[in-house]
Amino acid sequence: EAEVAQSPRYKITEKSQAVAFWCDPISGHATLYWYRQILGQGPELLVQFQDESVVDDSQLPKDRFSAERLKGVDSTLKIQPAELGDSAMYLCASSSTAATQYFGPGTRLLVL
Amino acid sequence: DQQVKQNSPSLSVQEGRISILNCDYTNSMFDYFLWYKKYPAEGPTFLISISSIKDKNEDGRFTVFLNKSAKHLSLHIVPSQPGDSAVYFCAASTTYNQGGKLIFGQGTELSVKP
Repeated sequence: EAEVAQSPRYKITEKSQAVAFWCDPISGHATLYWYRQILGQGPELLVQFQDESVVDDSQLPKDRFSAERLKGVDSTLKIQPAELGDSAMYLCASSSTAATQYFGPGTRLLVL
Repeated sequence: DQQVKQNSPSLSVQEGRISILNCDYTNSMFDYFLWYKKYPAEGPTFLISISSIKDKNEDGRFTVFLNKSAKHLSLHIVPSQPGDSAVYFCAASTTYNQGGKLIFGQGTELSVKP
């Protein structure tokens, strides 16, 4: 069964450092999403890609966050510099033409 | 402004009984609704979905009901099993055929006791 891959699974960093997360969507899925989930809340969309183009990044804190999907396949989400409030689970999801999104295992980030 | 709300943070049921998880929404433009199950330190797993043209969808032990006039949906699990213990999120989207972003509720933690 095809799955969304994410790495690393866990990341501990100090504030002001740079961190990067990687996502490989299900093969053939044109749409890729990055969500952030804070403990006790539901996931919230950070950025959505259609192929290599950004469709929605209205909730992405652009002063410190960046995302790219250069070849329209895998994607990288970067935070620089990391802040204490960035501690959360970062989830990647992908979908084909339908609306059902399939999530990866997530990257749990702890900023000290 | 919480467009999707799950007002019960937790629910405890006995094994073999029915679990009913509830979700309310405010945006009448939502046309697709999904339920996800999430274990700690893992990503959400898709369970079941329903489009706004239907009022019920069933998949094995899981049934989702949609009441558009009340802007309410519910997930029924029958019979409940200990392995169903997890956090359940409902989510909604406004662009069924175009893969729009999902708006999630806060989640309900289900505990199924043997």
